[in-house]
Amino acid sequence: GAVVSQHPSWVICKSGTSVKIECRSLDFQATTMFWYRQFPKQSLMLMATSNEGSKATYEQGVEKDKFLINHASLTLSTLTVTSAHPEDSSFYICSARVPRGIEGYTFGSGTRLTVV
Amino acid sequence: DAKTTQPTSMDCAEGRAANLPCNHSTISGNEYVYWYRQIHSQGPQYIIHGLKNNETNEMASLIITEDRKSSTLILPHATLRDTAVYYCIAGYALNFGKGTSLLVTP
Repeated sequence: GAVVSQHPSWVICKSGTSVKIECRSLDFQATTMFWYRQFPKQSLMLMATSNEGSKATYEQGVEKDKFLINHASLTLSTLTVTSAHPEDSSFYICSARVPRGIEGYTFGSGTRLTVV
Repeated sequence: DAKTTQPTSMDCAEGRAANLPCNHSTISGNEYVYWYRQIHSQGPQYIIHGLKNNETNEMASLIITEDRKSSTLILPHATLRDTAVYYCIAGYALNFGKGTSLLVTP
């Protein structure tokens, strides 16, 4: 149980275009989801907290107009990388807190974004 | 949330036990210790968690010191597929440290 499905697993896009990444909680409702970015050989860096029905909370240094987050339902959060540039190429991961409360977080399988 | 400290890397021979330490000296009394691992190009995977008592599941064992300032994750019979980065997290911290890169060798 407590599975988070992330799609797509990889995407290649041209500079200047936008890319949407979806994160779905399959067997539970997630009022809060988290988005991370991971560069090669580095740890996960929290980008933002996605809240169902309200605005996302962004970490310092993360451009909210570039990384648009929408959490319109209790099972879906989306991250849109707008006007992507090569430096946005990274591994993006979403997560949600396990609903039973004491088993931490469950993570999506990640999305490898390559901007060319 | 308490900060955790882990060794950067460790090696382990296949079939032997891998013991991964974590220091969380500022952990508060009601914070659980969680362990996750991340295999290359995948999302992190939950391994085990504990509060005070030692815990064991099908993946690993977790030994927490009596003062709760440190813990050790034990993979009893490491396999090549256990090669990954292992993260120790205190409480519901959202920020991951660098973790321990475990290399299991044949």
